[in-house]
Amino acid sequence: ILNVEQSPQSLHVQEGDSTNFTCSFPSSNFYALHWYRWETAKSPEALFVMTLNGDEKKKGRISATLNTKEGYSYLYIKGSQPEDSATYLCAPGRNTPLVFGKGTRLSVIA
Amino acid sequence: EAQVTQNPRYLITVTGKKLTVTCSQNMNHEYMSWYRQDPGLGLRQIYYSMNVEVTDKGDVPEGYKVSRKEKRNFPLILESPSPNQTSLYFCASSLSAPSGRRDYEQYFGPGTRLTVT
Repeated sequence: ILNVEQSPQSLHVQEGDSTNFTCSFPSSNFYALHWYRWETAKSPEALFVMTLNGDEKKKGRISATLNTKEGYSYLYIKGSQPEDSATYLCAPGRNTPLVFGKGTRLSVIA
Repeated sequence: EAQVTQNPRYLITVTGKKLTVTCSQNMNHEYMSWYRQDPGLGLRQIYYSMNVEVTDKGDVPEGYKVSRKEKRNFPLILESPSPNQTSLYFCASSLSAPSGRRDYEQYFGPGTRLTVT
C-alpha cells in the first residue's frame, strides 16, 4: 500500500495568519498529486490536480506546489479565514485507485 | 446540476441483513469508486470501476460487492453486514480513470452513514 504522510495532523491559526502544510509521498512511479478540501459534515471537494515537477497552482488564497523528485507537495493558505477551517487531504494518483493521506485538520480562529 | 447522489444517507441495520447503498452520477463519468472513512484511518478505497462491467478491488474490499451494469450507477452491496462495517461511506466519480497522461479530479457524493448493530 502506498505510504502517504501529511503533516501536521492538525493546526490552529488565527484569522489573517498564513499557513502551510505538507504532503509526502513515494517519488517513484509518480503520476499526479491530488489535493482535496473536506469541511465537516460535507463531502471532499477537489482543489488541485498537479502532474508536473515544479507545478504551482492557485485558487484564490490557496496555492500548492509540487516536487516530484523528492516526493512532496506544499499547500499554502494566505490570510486564513474561518471558512478555511476544514481537513485538507492529499492523494498521489497512479494507475490504480487514489490512496489518501489522513489529512491536516485546520482550524481558523476568528 | 452535476452531482453524485447516494442513498440512503443514513442507515441503521442489524448484523447479517443484506443491504445496498446506491450511487448515481449524471456527468457521464467513466470512473467510479467507493470509499469508507473511519476515525484515525482516513479515506480508504473499497472498490472502483474503470467503466461499465469493469470493476476491481481497492484496499479494503472484504465484505463488499459492487456492480457496474450502467455507466451512471455503481451500487455497493453488503451481503452480510457486520459491526466492523459501521462507517461513513462515500461514492466518487471522475471523468476517467487516473492514468500516466492525465489525472482527473474526483467528485464525491454526500456520504452514507451506516451503523450495523
